[in-house]
Amino acid sequence: DQQVKQNSPSLSVQEGRISILNCDYTNSMFDYFLWYKKYPAEGPTFLISISSIKDKNEDGRFTVFLNKSAKHLSLHIVPSQPGDSAVYFCAASTSINDYKLSFGAGTTVTVRA
Amino acid sequence: GAVVSQHPSWVICKSGTSVKIECRSLDFQATTMFWYRQFPKQSLMLMATSNEGSKATYEQGVEKDKFLINHASLTLSTLTVTSAHPEDSSFYICSARDLNRAHNEKLFFGSGTQLSVL
Repeated sequence: DQQVKQNSPSLSVQEGRISILNCDYTNSMFDYFLWYKKYPAEGPTFLISISSIKDKNEDGRFTVFLNKSAKHLSLHIVPSQPGDSAVYFCAASTSINDYKLSFGAGTTVTVRA
Repeated sequence: GAVVSQHPSWVICKSGTSVKIECRSLDFQATTMFWYRQFPKQSLMLMATSNEGSKATYEQGVEKDKFLINHASLTLSTLTVTSAHPEDSSFYICSARDLNRAHNEKLFFGSGTQLSVL
């Protein structure tokens, strides 16, 4: 039973344009959301997070938006760069101190030069 | 950032054999490590929480006698897939928690192990 879903397995975007990655969740108890980035042959690394008390969190080129009523979050990367080509995982937990994360299946982003 | 080393990165074994996967935190002590499994095109699924010096906590549906977890030191957790069968073929990945890091940076992942059981 996948509680976190990333329905787009892949995304191709031109360098300089915006990348928008989507994530939906079903568990209303989820309170904290994270995005991880994974390069081939490496483990996922933390990218950005958001608590349910916020609807937006920005860090440089990366912004995460949360719509609690829709149980939906998205990651915006702007402008996209070739180094952003990776697999992006959405993850959720029931609290900021709960490290038992539920993950989506990932979205592979390819940034074209 | 902190480094978590996972070995082997891939393994092929015969059905019925056991396979051990190691997860090491190289520059920090990890009292808690997590083991995940990912089937193709599916999510990373948490299998168990490994606690140093105590028994692991398994998620519902994960057979503890089949997936043996040992966390005997603050820097090493091992996952042993016992009597492996083809349906155990999957991508296994560990993560370790560094309590000395700022919250968002507390969790670090190994690079994963691709297990293929023939």
